[in-house]
Amino acid sequence: NAGVTQTPKFRVLKTGQSMTLLCAQDMNHEYMYWYRQDPGMGLRLIHYSVGEGTTAKGEVPDGYNVSRLKKQNFLLGLESAAPSQTSVYFCASSYLDRAYEQYFGPGTRLTVT
Amino acid sequence: AQTVTQSQPEMSVQEAETVTLSCTYDTSESDYYLFWYKQPPSRQMILVIRQEAYKQQNATENRFSVNFQKAAKSFSLKISDSQLGDAAMYFCAYRSWRETSGSRLTFGEGTQLTVNP
Repeated sequence: NAGVTQTPKFRVLKTGQSMTLLCAQDMNHEYMYWYRQDPGMGLRLIHYSVGEGTTAKGEVPDGYNVSRLKKQNFLLGLESAAPSQTSVYFCASSYLDRAYEQYFGPGTRLTVT
Repeated sequence: AQTVTQSQPEMSVQEAETVTLSCTYDTSESDYYLFWYKQPPSRQMILVIRQEAYKQQNATENRFSVNFQKAAKSFSLKISDSQLGDAAMYFCAYRSWRETSGSRLTFGEGTQLTVNP
């Protein structure tokens, strides 16, 4: 099992550009999450999904959109990147009946100039 | 809303010694989970230990143990016989027992642990 994978690992964007981060998991997990990690602030939840075709807002959803068209994939989109979105982005997933245990991807470092 | 606070941005310990990382949280719920995650320089988030709030017994995993004080809303992590590989950022996290929020985790700010040889 590859576990949770994220693409790309690094990216530099200019203000106003758009991009999509891809998260894939091969563990048949129902739940998937996108977090951002900023210095001194821990991880904060952006959006999450409790199943294929469903998404919901987390703690800091503004400026991001998500989609979960397939159970194994969870996409995070930035339509018009801003310097405030410079961060490390983590995807995570978990089973519905063992949702206390989240498996994390390796992270994507995004810089917006 | 729940909050998690780690008041120690940085800690250091000598190899083979014991260190305790502090975490406090605020919640109005009676049932929940608490976690400690480790994030080494590779950035990978690794679950170290989990505690269910309804359990009075403190969780242990080899050299890692917790001191869970429910009334005080305190959840500290003790690392015994510290090893160089323990050097990492450590995050305390909270999860509600209820499924209403997709089982989201609320994280503290993190404590950077340095292990000195």
